[in-house]
Amino acid sequence: TQLLEQSPQFLSIQEGENLTVYCNSSSVFSSLQWYRQEPGEGPVLLVTVVTGGEVKKLKRLTFQFGDARKDSSLHITAAQPGDTGLYLCAGESYNTDKLIFGTGTRLQVFP
Amino acid sequence: GAGVSQSPRYKVAKRGQDVALRCDPISGHVSLFWYQQALGQGPEFLTYFQNEAQLDKSGLPSDRFFAERPEGSVSTLKIQRTQQEDSAVYLCASSSDRVTEAFFGQGTRLTVV
Repeated sequence: TQLLEQSPQFLSIQEGENLTVYCNSSSVFSSLQWYRQEPGEGPVLLVTVVTGGEVKKLKRLTFQFGDARKDSSLHITAAQPGDTGLYLCAGESYNTDKLIFGTGTRLQVFP
Repeated sequence: GAGVSQSPRYKVAKRGQDVALRCDPISGHVSLFWYQQALGQGPEFLTYFQNEAQLDKSGLPSDRFFAERPEGSVSTLKIQRTQQEDSAVYLCASSSDRVTEAFFGQGTRLTVV
C-alpha cells in the first residue's frame, strides 16, 4: 500500500519549460527524500529534507518540505532532456527506519 | 566495490521454480532493505535488516518469500515456487547507521514464465 501519492503521474514537456511534481500524504514523516531513477538502474538520491518548511536548491531543482511534514514538492526550472526519468519521493516514518516510496512521476523532456 | 551490487541482473524462472537473489551492500552499512518494483511504479517495501537482525518483514507478500542476512553483510532474497505475479524488479538498498539515505543497487529483473 502506497502512503505517498505523487502527481502528476506522467509529464511530457518541451526543453526550457518549468514543472512541479507533488508528493502528498496523510502521514507525518521525520524526513523526506527525492530520488531519480533511469531505466535499468536503481533510484539515485537527489536530496533529503528534514525540517518542516525547509527549502533546498540543487542547481535547477528546488525541493520543499511542507510545514506539517506531510507533503513535498520538486520544482525544475528550464527542464533539459537530461532531466528525463522517473522521480520518486520517499518518506521515513518516525517509528520505523524503512522508507515508504511514492507512486512515482515519469518525466519526459523533449528537445 | 564502492556501491551496492546485486546479482543476477536478470533472471528468468519457470513457474514453480525457486530463485535466490543476492545483494552485496556498501561495506560497513548497517541497514539493508529489499524492495519490489513493478514496471513504472514506485518501489514497495519488502523487508529490512539491521546488521543480521530482520527487524521488519511486513512487506513480504507471502510465506513463499524469505530473506536472510546471516553475517550482517550479504543478503539473499529467496522466492519459493515462483508465480507470474512475482515478476518484477527486486531492489536492494543499504544505509549507514545514523543516516537513512539509502543507496540502491541496479536491481534484479525477475521474469516468471
